[in-house]
Amino acid sequence: GENVEQHPSTLSVQEGDSAVIKCTYSDSASNYFPWYKQELGKRPQLIIDIRSNVGEKKDQRIAVTLNKTAKHFSLHITETQPEDSAVYFCAATSGGYQKVTFGIGTKLQVIP
Amino acid sequence: EAEVAQSPRYKITEKSQAVAFWCDPISGHATLYWYRQILGQGPELLVQFQDESVVDDSQLPKDRFSAERLKGVDSTLKIQPAELGDSAMYLCASSSSGALYEQYFGPGTRLTVT
Repeated sequence: GENVEQHPSTLSVQEGDSAVIKCTYSDSASNYFPWYKQELGKRPQLIIDIRSNVGEKKDQRIAVTLNKTAKHFSLHITETQPEDSAVYFCAATSGGYQKVTFGIGTKLQVIP
Repeated sequence: EAEVAQSPRYKITEKSQAVAFWCDPISGHATLYWYRQILGQGPELLVQFQDESVVDDSQLPKDRFSAERLKGVDSTLKIQPAELGDSAMYLCASSSSGALYEQYFGPGTRLTVT
């Protein structure tokens, strides 16, 4: 089955700096890669996603890049703000019924 | 805005007891997922339904867990008997047409087994 590795597990940045979270996946047939943000005690919420036919996608301060050859994808947050502090999960979707496999999560702390 | 509903939000039970969780997906969403999230980890898929049919339950401990979605709408996840290691957040999610479309998560049920 699919295996998704995510790093770092924790990340602290100063407000205004950029944050980068990286993930690798094992199944070359994976074709959809969502990123979720989960605040303490709340449900995961989709913040951005990318499909396998696209190399990069941007939404305001958030961008995701995908390298299919290397089987890795990354989340980039620019001009970080304290409200960006949360746990971020990457995921990869594969298989006939599009099973979603999540990474272990990255706890991001933005220091004011 | 429509949301996925789950109940109860919190459940404390003793080991060896039975527990059940309920999920009502967003209206019209054919795909429903049950995940288990242990503190500090990512959600782990337990079971995935397409309408009323199970399409993936490879990670479901079938000796004690069961799930059903009889009419292809709401769903129930049951654990019998509960074990200490089952303490976790149980999340339900739904999507309109498989995982290529956004999954909407419910608020989850926090289970504590004592």
